[in-house]
Amino acid sequence: AQSVTQLGSHVSVSEGALVLLRCNYSSSVPPYLFWYVQYPNQGLQLLLKYTSAATLVKGINGFEAEFKKSETSFHLTKPSAHMSDAAEYFCAVSWVQGAQKLVFGQGTRLTINP
Amino acid sequence: KAGVTQTPRYLIKTRGQQVTLSCSPISGHRSVSWYQQTPGQGLQFLFEYFSETQRNKGNFPGRFSGRQFSNSRSEMNVSTLELGDSALYLCASSPQAGGYTDTQYFGPGTRLTVL
Repeated sequence: AQSVTQLGSHVSVSEGALVLLRCNYSSSVPPYLFWYVQYPNQGLQLLLKYTSAATLVKGINGFEAEFKKSETSFHLTKPSAHMSDAAEYFCAVSWVQGAQKLVFGQGTRLTINP
Repeated sequence: KAGVTQTPRYLIKTRGQQVTLSCSPISGHRSVSWYQQTPGQGLQFLFEYFSETQRNKGNFPGRFSGRQFSNSRSEMNVSTLELGDSALYLCASSPQAGGYTDTQYFGPGTRLTVL
């Protein structure tokens, strides 16, 4: 079965430090990959998505992610963390043609230390 | 353009009851998907509707059902509620017919508590 693994359920960084959230997928066919962010008591907001046009994808709020097929990874990075980045982040994949099914990782809660 | 709206935002029910949740997609969007979010199981796909037809279904019991109306609004129903049905139910809409690269836009969710 296709699956998504997010390494680290909790990540803590200092304000101004690099943010790195890890996502690995298993798929027998080329996937399409997404990162979503969830703030407390809110729904999911799309940060960025990979759809095979370019391996380095830039998203909102200064985030970017790089698709590495050889490593089956799609890690999310941000050069300098801001207090407002504190939230839960979800990596998701879809690969079923004709359907909107997303399979999510378990999420990574990002804490920013002042 | 207004986002995805879900009503009600919060709901408390008792075991054995049934519940109906509503989702209004972004104007012009024709596909609506539902997800269940719990601390233990994370985000899980329930089902997806397009043009009033269920196109895809997740691995949930038959107590979970849904429908879509001609204006693309969708409802999901859970019958014979169990404690384990307590969750945040998220609705997402997307504009196109079946591109799995399409972005899904999520609503704020309905928080269901079963006592």
